[in-house]
Amino acid sequence: TQLLEQSPQFLSIQEGENLTVYCNSSSVFSSLQWYRQEPGEGPVLLVTVVTGGEVKKLKRLTFQFGDARKDSSLHITAAQPGDTGLYLCAGGPSGSARQLTFGSGTQLTVLP
Amino acid sequence: NAGVTQTPKFQVLKTGQSMTLQCAQDMNHEYMSWYRQDPGMGLRLIHYSVGAGITDQGEVPNGYNVSRSTTEDFPLRLLSAAPSQTSVYFCASQAFSGNTIYFGEGSWLTVV
Repeated sequence: TQLLEQSPQFLSIQEGENLTVYCNSSSVFSSLQWYRQEPGEGPVLLVTVVTGGEVKKLKRLTFQFGDARKDSSLHITAAQPGDTGLYLCAGGPSGSARQLTFGSGTQLTVLP
Repeated sequence: NAGVTQTPKFQVLKTGQSMTLQCAQDMNHEYMSWYRQDPGMGLRLIHYSVGAGITDQGEVPNGYNVSRSTTEDFPLRLLSAAPSQTSVYFCASQAFSGNTIYFGEGSWLTVV
């Protein structure tokens, strides 16, 4: 079973601060996805990274896939209260993104 | 545009009762799946289907049955509910050619 560990589990910061969330595994993934989940809703896909070393930007969010495709990070610049939510990383097995392994998530709270 | 629709939203069951969580998608996606989400454990795959008439087990299938008689519907059946099945259940769908998983809004189940 492939495992994904996310850190930190909880993060509370002030509006305007920067933060980084980590997703680590001992296994290689063919792809890695980041989701954001708000209370009472299902996860919503933010990004998919598939190439080792790949960096993708989504406005103030920067996602990086490790060179060995075993880890990933999510960096948020100048966090806003609207960024509050549960951030989940999910890795796909070789050749398929369908049977995903999810990390336990990072609960981010951005205080105004 | 409904996407993935789950019913009921909330349910309380007594130990030993049976029930069915309904899931329907209107995107003509071939791939559908059921996850459960528990605090600190991320999402875990229960069962999945790659098309009508085809189902398979995920990581935590015990105590659950599924069937896929149509492309649109993928119900999850709890045969004899146990307190350990208290959780939030998410249905998801995905196009065979895509990497984006679309989640429903979740079904909150409490077994007492």
